[in-house]
Amino acid sequence: DTAVSQTPKYLVTQMGNDKSIKCEQNLGHDTMYWYKQDSKKFLKIMFSYNNKELIINETVPNRFSPKSPDKAHLNLHINSLELGDSAVYFCASSQNLQGAEKFGPGTRLLVL
Amino acid sequence: GENVEQHPSTLSVQEGDSAVIKCTYSDSASNYFPWYKQELGKGPQLIIDIRSNVGEKKDQRIAVTLNKTAKHFSLHITETQPEDSAVYFCAASGQTGANNLFFGTGTRLTVIP
Repeated sequence: DTAVSQTPKYLVTQMGNDKSIKCEQNLGHDTMYWYKQDSKKFLKIMFSYNNKELIINETVPNRFSPKSPDKAHLNLHINSLELGDSAVYFCASSQNLQGAEKFGPGTRLLVL
Repeated sequence: GENVEQHPSTLSVQEGDSAVIKCTYSDSASNYFPWYKQELGKGPQLIIDIRSNVGEKKDQRIAVTLNKTAKHFSLHITETQPEDSAVYFCAASGQTGANNLFFGTGTRLTVIP
């Protein structure tokens, strides 16, 4: 089944903890993204990688660090989690740089 | 950066009627305008897109129009069905290109059977 997959689907953790979200796509796409969707459903890009190279790094705290070991994977590590990090995080991919084409199912992060 | 406004925030239509969602953008350099449908508990799904060299694009019951002069674009859904109920997002590329999309605030469409 061709898709963008994310793990975990749900993540509940305490403030101050460090957590990672993994993303994989088997579509053969060159570009991968991380988006954040807040409680009001607003979607905002965080990072974009093209062929493992960082090309977009929006105004995101340094506590967020993406890593792309190969062009099919883009992981997101978050240090020192804060209450305001609670959101749904979506991974997405696209062929070349044509805009997010396929989204993953999302990771619902709740920081207590 | 780009600023995208979307209206209405909620829309209810009777099954079989048409639905129209409108977006405006601020950056005249934007040249790519996709629309996404997000069902409850799922990720957004790209349903149609348009580039600035085209004024209109249609795919079965869905159409998108673009007015570059006025900087607005619209999504039209005809013969609506209950499964069209979802949140719809418009987006614009901004001057940095299609890779960096700026999203509207979403429209919750409810199709009443």
